[in-house]
Amino acid sequence: AQSVTQLDSHVSVSEGTPVLLRCNYSSSYSPSLFWYVQHPNKGLQLLLKYTSAATLVKGINGFEAEFKKSETSFHLTKPSAHMSDAAEYFCVVSGSGGGADGLTFGKGTHLIIQP
Amino acid sequence: KAGVTQTPRYLIKTRGQQVTLSCSPISGHRSVSWYQQTPGQGLQFLFEYFSETQRNKGNFPGRFSGRQFSNSRSEMNVSTLELGDSALYLCASRSWTGGPDTQYFGPGTRLTVL
Repeated sequence: AQSVTQLDSHVSVSEGTPVLLRCNYSSSYSPSLFWYVQHPNKGLQLLLKYTSAATLVKGINGFEAEFKKSETSFHLTKPSAHMSDAAEYFCVVSGSGGGADGLTFGKGTHLIIQP
Repeated sequence: KAGVTQTPRYLIKTRGQQVTLSCSPISGHRSVSWYQQTPGQGLQFLFEYFSETQRNKGNFPGRFSGRQFSNSRSEMNVSTLELGDSALYLCASRSWTGGPDTQYFGPGTRLTVL
């Protein structure tokens, strides 16, 4: 069984300041972890993924995430927020067998960027 | 390469009716998964198809069904619609290498049940 907890339902930052979106996971297997972003009325876009290679993963648009097994965390960060980053972000865990259990999604974090 | 496409983008149905949604995966991808997104329950896995066979199923009633064709296109059917079926239905495709493939999502079909 696997689960994901996104610790904040809403995060508000000022443009140009750092972004931190927190995610903890639970998995019976060596997990694959993903961050997806969803802009209003759009589908999900992959930001980055962790698949047991480097623990620091770099994604698109300046985002990165660090896998910490001891803390069962996979927090998403960005050094400087941009207005276009305003969206819903989902932390996702995939089980073994290439996702045979389907993807398990966190509840999402709504990122608000203040001008 | 074209992305995942879903049709129709919007649907309005009434209770008791049935509905069929369609998904065309990225060229070369052989697996298609379906997800339901609602404000209350978030994103939930419905089922996954590979080589025309359902490989896994989430915790949804039997009113939700699907199928996959030989060209990997997939359809999802919901019978006897209920108000609670109103949701964004997302389709995702992946190549199915046996490892942790990335799933690529379509824009979704917004279903409203009146």
